[in-house]
Amino acid sequence: DAGVTQSPTHLIKTRGQQVTLRCSPKSGHDTVSWYQQALGQGPQFIFQYYEEEERQRGNFPDRFSGHQFPNYSSELNVNALLLGDSALYLCASSPTGLESTDTQYFGPGTRLTVL
Amino acid sequence: LAKTTQPISMDSYEGQEVNITCSHNNIATNDYITWYQQFPSQGPRFIIQGYKTKVTNEVASLFIPADRKSSTLSLPRVSLSDTAVYYCLVGDTGVDSSYKLIFGSGTRLLVRP
Repeated sequence: DAGVTQSPTHLIKTRGQQVTLRCSPKSGHDTVSWYQQALGQGPQFIFQYYEEEERQRGNFPDRFSGHQFPNYSSELNVNALLLGDSALYLCASSPTGLESTDTQYFGPGTRLTVL
Repeated sequence: LAKTTQPISMDSYEGQEVNITCSHNNIATNDYITWYQQFPSQGPRFIIQGYKTKVTNEVASLFIPADRKSSTLSLPRVSLSDTAVYYCLVGDTGVDSSYKLIFGSGTRLLVRP
């Protein structure tokens, strides 16, 4: 059983460009959350998707958007990239979005570098 | 804003027991306490979760006092491979009962030979 997978592993973009990151949740999981982790800091919650809709959102601008597909996979899109968007982007999945005890399983992350 | 406070770093030696304490004074009634481990350039890995008293699994124990305002992660007989960042976090349940994790800065554990 594959865990959470993310693609690509690494990505280099320039300022102003747009980027799309992809995530496949663990089998049996239907909720996907995205986090941004800057170097030396803890992951910061971006948003969460359940039943193809955004359920919660952290303190991130509208340049950050997402999508969840019927197969529960998800994409994170970032427009008008800034140097400060350089970070490790983590995807986490959990079996349901309605339980406070859900354990979130993280993927290996996508390392985005903005030049 | 992180809802937890934990030491920035800790040092230990192989074979010792390591206890990392986390403060969460504003924990909500329905919040569980979860600990994750993270190695450089990898995603966090779930270690243990608890609500009250003591929880033990194959890798760690979690002690939670009755007031639930703090918790202690105990790692028995650490090895060099336990060198990592350890995050203590509580959940944040939204109005629609959705659940997100709020990470702090974590505790950097260094295990020496």
